[in-house]
Amino acid sequence: DAMVIQNPRYQVTQFGKPVTLSCSQTLNHNVMYWYQQKSSQAPKLLFHYYDKDFNNEADTPDNFQSRRPNTSFCFLDIRSPGLGDAAMYLCATSRDILAGGFKTQYFGPGTRLLVL
Amino acid sequence: GEDVEQSLFLSVREGDSSVINCTYTDSSSTYLYWYKQEPGAGLQLLTYIFSNMDMKQDQRLTVLLNKKDKHLSLRIADTQTGDSAIYFCTPGGNNAGNMLTFGGGTRLMVKP
Repeated sequence: DAMVIQNPRYQVTQFGKPVTLSCSQTLNHNVMYWYQQKSSQAPKLLFHYYDKDFNNEADTPDNFQSRRPNTSFCFLDIRSPGLGDAAMYLCATSRDILAGGFKTQYFGPGTRLLVL
Repeated sequence: GEDVEQSLFLSVREGDSSVINCTYTDSSSTYLYWYKQEPGAGLQLLTYIFSNMDMKQDQRLTVLLNKKDKHLSLRIADTQTGDSAIYFCTPGGNNAGNMLTFGGGTRLMVKP
């Protein structure tokens, strides 16, 4: 089945120690998104890739970076995690409307990050 | 930016109907979605409705759209304990960036 995969499902890191979260997709969608979701809140968009074009949200801290080496993979790098960065991180994909798709986003299961 | 409002919490008894409501501000939304999030999981696309429709029915799910009032609702018939989750309303605006704006989510609790 085509899907969005996130690894690992749970990640524990130390305060200030860089961490990378991974996302891969078999849907061949050209748009990929990273969201941060804290407890009992709506997902908050951090950034998205439109093909290789990176689009950062204005209020995304510089501590968060992303890489998309190819269509299938996208990484979220947190350079110096703080206690406030503990959250669920969700990856999503969509097929751009200009490519004939809808705005429907398909989500992975998420990676829960714990910062000690 | 767009505002999407949902009530925080809904509790129903198993077998009853649940109605989750949502209001939004951006009238240009072409598609409006409902996502379901079970504890510790990602968001699952539950259903969607095109803005030129008033109603969409999909098995136990009924989506009602009132464009004039900018009101969207999700009705779950014969609610089961497995329906306990957070439900997010999200209109898909016509912006070129494919962005969605999520409501705060409604936590549905189903009592046996």
